Amino acid sequence: ETGVTQSPTHLIKTRGQQVTLRCSSQSGHNTVSWYQQALGQGPQFIFQYYREEENGRGNFPPRFSGLQFPNYSSELNVNALELDDSALYLCASSLGTDGDGYTFGSGTRLTVV
Amino acid sequence: AQSVTQLDSHVSVSEGTPVLLRCNYSSSYSPSLFWYVQHPNKGLQLLLKYTSAATLVKGINGFEAEFKKSETSFHLTKPSAHMSDAAEYFCVVSEPSGTYKYIFGTGTRLKVLA
Repeated sequence: ETGVTQSPTHLIKTRGQQVTLRCSSQSGHNTVSWYQQALGQGPQFIFQYYREEENGRGNFPPRFSGLQFPNYSSELNVNALELDDSALYLCASSLGTDGDGYTFGSGTRLTVV
Repeated sequence: AQSVTQLDSHVSVSEGTPVLLRCNYSSSYSPSLFWYVQHPNKGLQLLLKYTSAATLVKGINGFEAEFKKSETSFHLTKPSAHMSDAAEYFCVVSEPSGTYKYIFGTGTRLKVLA
């Protein structure tokens, strides 16, 4: 079983609303990344945090933001939701930043109506 | 810039026959390459990874992949398919520095026929 847990598993929001998705990483994993997986596509990199600082960002607008906490938990916040934000959001963690392999959570399925 | 191309969106095999899922990559650097599997309503599970050691990489559940620099390929194989192998498979290249973010292919859906 994965050591990364995400909550909630499913979520329905209305266009224009704000949402917070949560992730609990494996203990000791200092790096957490978030990915968006639209239906039928591969995951796309949103951003990455290392020791509570953002250290990389993909091609996503500023209304996508995040936080990482000292207890290895993290959040993805999305403001002003759009219909195209409907996707599976995946959290992934690793010990460091050397790309040696991430552990993924099962994801949060967000539907924007 | 790094990229991966998965050459087949769908592959169907009969149970007990070999599996071949094809992946080509593009990278300006010596790449790190991965294969992940995603079962329905599950997260991504790492099958295997290549990080510039042996070119033939063995993974979990009998899967293996061969890194061929001359062909820029990293195809995933398994000698004998099992019903439980039916899933979505993603080929991934990692940036060699900085964030080491993953760049995913579009996925190959493997169907295993009884």
